[in-house]
Amino acid sequence: DAGVIQSPRHEVTEMGQEVTLRCKPISGHDYLFWYRQTMMRGLELLIYFNNNVPIDDSGMPEDRFSAKMPNASFSTLKIQPSEPRDSAVYFCASSLEEHQETQYFGPGTRLLVL
Amino acid sequence: GQSLEQPSEVTAVEGAIVQINCTYQTSGFYGLSWYQQHDGGAPTFLSYNALDGLEETGRFSSFLSRSDSYGYLLLQELQMKDSASYFCAVVYGGATNKLIFGTGTLLAVQP
Repeated sequence: DAGVIQSPRHEVTEMGQEVTLRCKPISGHDYLFWYRQTMMRGLELLIYFNNNVPIDDSGMPEDRFSAKMPNASFSTLKIQPSEPRDSAVYFCASSLEEHQETQYFGPGTRLLVL
Repeated sequence: GQSLEQPSEVTAVEGAIVQINCTYQTSGFYGLSWYQQHDGGAPTFLSYNALDGLEETGRFSSFLSRSDSYGYLLLQELQMKDSASYFCAVVYGGATNKLIFGTGTLLAVQP
């Protein structure tokens, strides 16, 4: 079975542009998580979904960030407009409800905002 | 509130044993997970403790003491490939399935 798939793997954009990150969770997983990782702030949980429904978005830094999960096999994280401080690695992860201790991470999207 | 503390860096030599500690203060604690992340890679699950005591998985073991709000990851017979960052993560009870990660410990294994 394929793992969590994220695209793009690398993104370089200019300040003010819209950025869309994509994630395909492992088939059958109930939960999907979006994380951001930086040297300064470590691994931060931004938002997570259960059965496509957003459960907790308290980690979303600003209104410039939004996330959707239109179906069980696809989610997006959008930043509009992007700023240099958004530069980070963004991970998507998924898990089964009965194994909350084990999250499977995608390879990440390395975002650089100039 | 929620907080997890880990040492920022640990250095050890090949073949040695190293222990990475994690202390936590959080409400709704259910268990403690450990993840490994190589430079440029994604975090991967290593071990989990819901009950007090030691869990062994090959060269890696993890320990939990709920009364002390403390856990550790023990790596034996260190290999160069074990050089990575190691994160403890609190697992919450209920239906949240949420993890809160510590700041990570960078392990450097030297020849």
